[in-house]
Amino acid sequence: GAVVSQHPSRVICKSGTSVKIECRSLDFQATTMFWYRQFPKQSLMLMATSNEGSKATYEQGVEKDKFLINHASLTLSTLTVTSAHPEDSSFYICSARGRGGVTDTQYFGPGTRLTVL
Amino acid sequence: GQNIDQPTEMTATEGAIVQINCTYQTSGFNGLFWYQQHAGEAPTFLSYNVLDGLEEKGRFSSFLSRSKGYSYLLLKELQMKDSASYLCAGYNQGGKLIFGQGTELSVKP
Repeated sequence: GAVVSQHPSRVICKSGTSVKIECRSLDFQATTMFWYRQFPKQSLMLMATSNEGSKATYEQGVEKDKFLINHASLTLSTLTVTSAHPEDSSFYICSARGRGGVTDTQYFGPGTRLTVL
Repeated sequence: GQNIDQPTEMTATEGAIVQINCTYQTSGFNGLFWYQQHAGEAPTFLSYNVLDGLEEKGRFSSFLSRSKGYSYLLLKELQMKDSASYLCAGYNQGGKLIFGQGTELSVKP
């Protein structure tokens, strides 16, 4: 299957700092990338959808000024958590989908565990 | 809107067969996915059904009935490593993959 990488895999930061997470599709062009957040014992919650070269669309309740998403190329999307607070501590997972649209499988990155002290 | 429901947890014995059910209501349907997720890891793709019927892939099979809004994942010859969360997911009309709450499967010796 397709490979999606995420970096870093784990980050610990102080409250008030910003953290950038990178998501790359390694062997295919991802026209659409998705960012999810997962709290312990819960399912994945979609935060936002980004298409290459256009602004991300955010799900209801997700602050776009706090979670900045940039989909700079067909293989790279970044999520920046600005002014992180302890309640932002979570498992952040990106996924990528190819040119097939909704008939194409979404492949997930390995996730980034964010801990805000 | 879209709702995806699956049991919260299940327990089965090593070597046995287990069926994890998923029901969905959606105003638009573009297929149903099953993912496996081990604790602390990202989901890995298991299967994608867009037509009715059973699709077999090794020890794992997935079934879909679009008229009933129903799917199941069948795991045969269970192994300890199959202990994980199994997520049922489907696309909504906006092309976004929406997940059920996941079924935590515990395989016991």
